[in-house]
Amino acid sequence: GAGVSQSPSNKVTEKGKDVELRCDPISGHTALYWYRQSLGQGLEFLIYFQGNSAPDKSGLPSDRFSAERTGGSVSTLTIQRTQQEDSAVYLCASSTPSPTREQYFGPGTRLTVT
Amino acid sequence: AQSVAQPEDQVNVAEGNPLTVKCTYSVSGNPYLFWYVQYPNRGLQFLLKYITGDNLVKGSYGFEAEFNKSQTSFHLKKPSALVSDSALYFCAVTLSYNTDKLIFGTGTRLQVFP
Repeated sequence: GAGVSQSPSNKVTEKGKDVELRCDPISGHTALYWYRQSLGQGLEFLIYFQGNSAPDKSGLPSDRFSAERTGGSVSTLTIQRTQQEDSAVYLCASSTPSPTREQYFGPGTRLTVT
Repeated sequence: AQSVAQPEDQVNVAEGNPLTVKCTYSVSGNPYLFWYVQYPNRGLQFLLKYITGDNLVKGSYGFEAEFNKSQTSFHLKKPSALVSDSALYFCAVTLSYNTDKLIFGTGTRLQVFP
C-alpha cells in the first residue's frame, strides 16, 4: 500500500514568509509525528498527534511553529515568519497505536530559507 | 531526561568485515529501542527494535542488535558488511509508559569500502 507522503518535496522561501508543509499518513495510522532534521543536528522531535487526544507540542522550537491534523488524517505544519535557521528537512511519520511503535517515515520536505 | 548517544560520527569498514555501530541510552524507565537507516536521498527506514524478551534482536538486511541493560547499550551489528550498507544510521528510544515520540541519536554514517 501507499506509504507516508509529504509535499512539497522542496521549498525555497524568502526570510519572513510563511510556509505550509503537508503530510499524508498511511491509512489507518492514528499516530502522526513531525521531526526536523538539520545538518549535524540529527533528528529533532517537533509535535505528535494521537487520535483525538490533545497533541504533544513539546518539541516545537518557537511560537512561529504550529501544526494541525484535520479529520484524524492529513497534517499541516506551518512556519510563520520563516528565519534562516528554519532551513532543514522536515520529516513526517505515522504509526499504528502501541505496542508495535514502529514509525513509518515520509521522504521529507527540504525547506530552504534565503 | 531521556537521551541517546551515538559516539561515532562515522564508521569505516571493509566489505566482508563485521561492523558495529554504537548506541547508548539514558532513560528513567523501561526503554523501547530502535534502529533506523537513511539511505541517500531517501526517507528513514525501520531496521529493528527491542521491546522486551530476548536481548538479541534480528532485523532487516542481516542486521542485529543486542540490548544490554547493565551497560545501557543497544549496539547495531552485522557479521559481514556490504557496500550497499553504506548509509546514515540512527538509534532511537522511547519509554513504555510514555507517548510514542522517539528520541533520536545524532546519527552515525557507515561507510563500507570495497
